[in-house]
Amino acid sequence: GENVEQHPSTLSVQEGDSAVIKCTYSDSASNYFPWYKQELGKRPQLIIDIRSNVGEKKDQRIAVTLNKTAKHFSLHITETQPEDSAVYFCAASGGGADGLTFGKGTHLIIQP
Amino acid sequence: EAGVVQSPRYKIIEKKQPVAFWCNPISGHNTLYWYLQNLGQGPELLIRYENEEAVDDSQLPKDRFSAERLKGVDSTLKIQPAELGDSAVYLCASSPPGGPTYTGELFFGEGSRLTVL
Repeated sequence: GENVEQHPSTLSVQEGDSAVIKCTYSDSASNYFPWYKQELGKRPQLIIDIRSNVGEKKDQRIAVTLNKTAKHFSLHITETQPEDSAVYFCAASGGGADGLTFGKGTHLIIQP
Repeated sequence: EAGVVQSPRYKIIEKKQPVAFWCNPISGHNTLYWYLQNLGQGPELLIRYENEEAVDDSQLPKDRFSAERLKGVDSTLKIQPAELGDSAVYLCASSPPGGPTYTGELFFGEGSRLTVL
């Protein structure tokens, strides 16, 4: 089955700086790569996703890049703000309704 | 539109007791998932339903866990008997039928936090 590795487990950045979280996956058949944000005690919520036919996708301050050859994808957050503090999970799936395999999460801390 | 609804939000039981969690997915979502989330970890799939059929239960510990989705809508996840290591958050999620507009997004409930003493 799919295996998703996520790094770092904790990331602390100064407010206004950029943050980058990286993930690798094992199954070359995976073609859908979402990122979820989970605030303390809340449900995971989708913030951005990318499919394997696209190399990069951007939505305001967040962007995701995908390297299919290397089987890795990354989340980039620019101009970080206090409300960006949360746990971020990457995930991968073979598409359809297969279900997602999640990474272990990155605790992003925005320092004032 | 209501999101995925789960109950109870919190449950504290003693080991060896049974416990059940209930999930009502978003209307029209035929795929339902139960995930287990341990503290500081990512969600791990326990079981996936397509309508009333369990199409992937390979990660469900069947000696003590069971699940059902009798009418293809609501679902119940049961643990009997509970063990100390079962303390975790049990997340339910749903997704709509596939098709041209299907994005792959999973919609999660708030979760049921279980503490086994």
